[in-house]
Amino acid sequence: AQTVTQSQPEMSVQEAETVTLSCTYDTSESDYYLFWYKQPPSRQMILVIRQEAYKQQNATENRFSVNFQKAAKSFSLKISDSQLGDAAMYFCAYRSRELNRDDKIIFGKGTRLHILP
Amino acid sequence: NAGVTQTPKFQVLKTGQSMTLQCAQDMNHEYMSWYRQDPGMGLRLIHYSVGAGITDQGEVPNGYNVSRSTTEDFPLRLLSAAPSQTSVYFCASSPLFLATNTGELFFGEGSRLTVL
Repeated sequence: AQTVTQSQPEMSVQEAETVTLSCTYDTSESDYYLFWYKQPPSRQMILVIRQEAYKQQNATENRFSVNFQKAAKSFSLKISDSQLGDAAMYFCAYRSRELNRDDKIIFGKGTRLHILP
Repeated sequence: NAGVTQTPKFQVLKTGQSMTLQCAQDMNHEYMSWYRQDPGMGLRLIHYSVGAGITDQGEVPNGYNVSRSTTEDFPLRLLSAAPSQTSVYFCASSPLFLATNTGELFFGEGSRLTVL
C-alpha cells in the first residue's frame, strides 16, 4: 500500500523569505500524481500544485514550485517570497494513475506553516 | 458554481444517535470519497465510490456506511455515533483517473461533528 510521510508537523518562516516543506512517499507504481493542498483557517482545501510522475520537469505555479525526485520518492514544496496569506496547513497527497488499481488518494499528516511578520 | 456541497456544516450528537452527512456534486464526477480530519492525523479515507452502485472501504471504514444510488450524491451514515467519531468530515469528488483529467480532488467545505 502507498504511504505519504510529512516529517515536519510545524514550520515557521519570516515574511518574504523562502521555505521548503518536505514530503516523501512509498509506492511500487511508476505512474501517479502528486499534489500539495493548502488548508487555511477557513478549512477549505485548495490545490496548490500538481506533478505527474512521468514528467521530469518540476511543476511551478507562481511563487510555488516543487522538487520532484522520483528515484528518491521525494516531493518537496518550495514557497518563495512568503506572504501572510500563505499561513495554513499543507498536505501532500498521492494518487495512482495506473489501470486496475484501487483509486485511493492518500494524504500525509500535514505541515502547519506559520508566517512571521 | 456549486461544486461539492456538504450538509450540515456543524452537528452535535449524543452517543448512540444516528445521522447522515450529505454530499452532492454537480460536476458529473464518477469518483466520490469521504475523509475524516483529526489533529495530527491528516486526512484519512473512510469510504469511496467509483460510480453509482459501487462503493469500497478506505483506511478507517468502521462505524460508517455509504451508498451511491446516483452519480451526484454520496451520503455518509453514522448508525450509532461514538465520541471517537468526533471529527471534521470532508467529501471530495473527481473524474475517474481513466478519463482525461488532472487527477485532483474537489472538496466540500467540511462538516464538523461532535459526539458527546
